Amino acid sequence: DAKTTQPPSMDCAEGRAANLPCNHSTISGNEYVYWYRQIHSQGPQYIIHGLKNNETNEMASLIITEDRKSSTLILPHATLRDTAVYYCIVPYYGQNFVFGPGTRLSVLP
Amino acid sequence: AAGVIQSPRHLIKEKRETATLKCYPIPRHDTVYWYQQGPGQDPQFLISFYEKMQSDKGSIPDRFSAQQFSDYHSELNMSSLELGDSALYFCASSGGFDAGAQSSYEQYFGPGTRLTVT
Repeated sequence: DAKTTQPPSMDCAEGRAANLPCNHSTISGNEYVYWYRQIHSQGPQYIIHGLKNNETNEMASLIITEDRKSSTLILPHATLRDTAVYYCIVPYYGQNFVFGPGTRLSVLP
Repeated sequence: AAGVIQSPRHLIKEKRETATLKCYPIPRHDTVYWYQQGPGQDPQFLISFYEKMQSDKGSIPDRFSAQQFSDYHSELNMSSLELGDSALYFCASSGGFDAGAQSSYEQYFGPGTRLTVT
């Protein structure tokens, strides 16, 4: 798996945008970037994924740099329920995901 | 929408006993993955199955075995349980795996089984 690097923790004020960065400098041309989050002891929750283009869904936006060596997950209006550990994952095709260590996001009132 | 179902949700066993965890994937998903998450740790991949065949293997102890059945549900069998096996066990499913395809295969996780070994 391509190695990913994320800051260990971030804080965000409720209602503001949360921007979570991820470096994946060894990513190859066919590898997708996936984002998941895990709220305490719950199953990891799929957020979004992308290959080259920026992506947006009802949960978040994913911005991938042109060289694909880094990406940013954007939660446009963070709520207290978005407090979780966020994982950026780059697996080889559909094979197993390697989690960790992720970014612990704390949304503050 | 239907999600991944895991049973039981909680399980308490004693050392040296056996345990069986079950996973029912999202309908029409043909790939199942098992992960183990110890206290304070990140989920760690154990094993996966595609179309009832083992497709990949991670750090699964020899005391553990798993299989996928014709209806695509999967079972993780754990024998000679040790205290260190106490963890959350997650199952995930995806729509398929093709090494030659340039497609995405996002995994959807179940709620997990919390195994406590005493």
